[in-house]
Amino acid sequence: EPEVTQTPSHQVTQMGQEVILRCVPISNHLYFYWYRQILGQKVEFLVSFYNNEISEKSEIFDDQFSVERPDGSNFTLKIRSTKLEDSAMYFCASSALLGGDPPGELFFGEGSRLTVL
Amino acid sequence: LAKTTQPISMDSYEGQEVNITCSHNNIATNDYITWYQQFPSQGPRFIIQGYKTKVTNEVASLFIPADRKSSTLSLPRVSLSDTAVYYCLVGGGATNKLIFGTGTLLAVQP
Repeated sequence: EPEVTQTPSHQVTQMGQEVILRCVPISNHLYFYWYRQILGQKVEFLVSFYNNEISEKSEIFDDQFSVERPDGSNFTLKIRSTKLEDSAMYFCASSALLGGDPPGELFFGEGSRLTVL
Repeated sequence: LAKTTQPISMDSYEGQEVNITCSHNNIATNDYITWYQQFPSQGPRFIIQGYKTKVTNEVASLFIPADRKSSTLSLPRVSLSDTAVYYCLVGGGATNKLIFGTGTLLAVQP
């Protein structure tokens, strides 16, 4: 079964450092997402991406965050200057469909745990 | 996007049928109802989706009344491995943004 893969599984970084989280979406999917989940809290939407540009973003996704699809397979989330409160599990997801009737199923990766010290 | 309300937690025993109800009073005409399951330290996983009446797949059933202001996820004969958080989400149409609520933590005991 095709799956979304994420690297690294766990990253520890110092406050103020840049972090890049990588994702390989399912190969024929066109829509890509990043979510995050702070320990013990709900899953929060960060950003969606289609056709090499951001489709939607939440208020969490401020100027310190950026996303990129540098080649035909990877989808990355960059945090420029990490803060303590960025510590969370970051999930990448992809879907074949956009909204629609019915909306497409989102396939999530296993997550990248980011710890900011 | 329609707001959803679910019980925070539920307890069950192995072999029982579990029904988790979600209310979504301001669901829009073009919204679908989708349920995801999340195990600890894993990404959410799609369970089932529906628009109205009843939908059944190999793992669950989804019951949606005519007014669509609520929905019930039914898990037949749960096992210990069904212990997870279950999220009800409402949306679709032009948006590709899924908004997760707090979910229901289902604890299945032997």
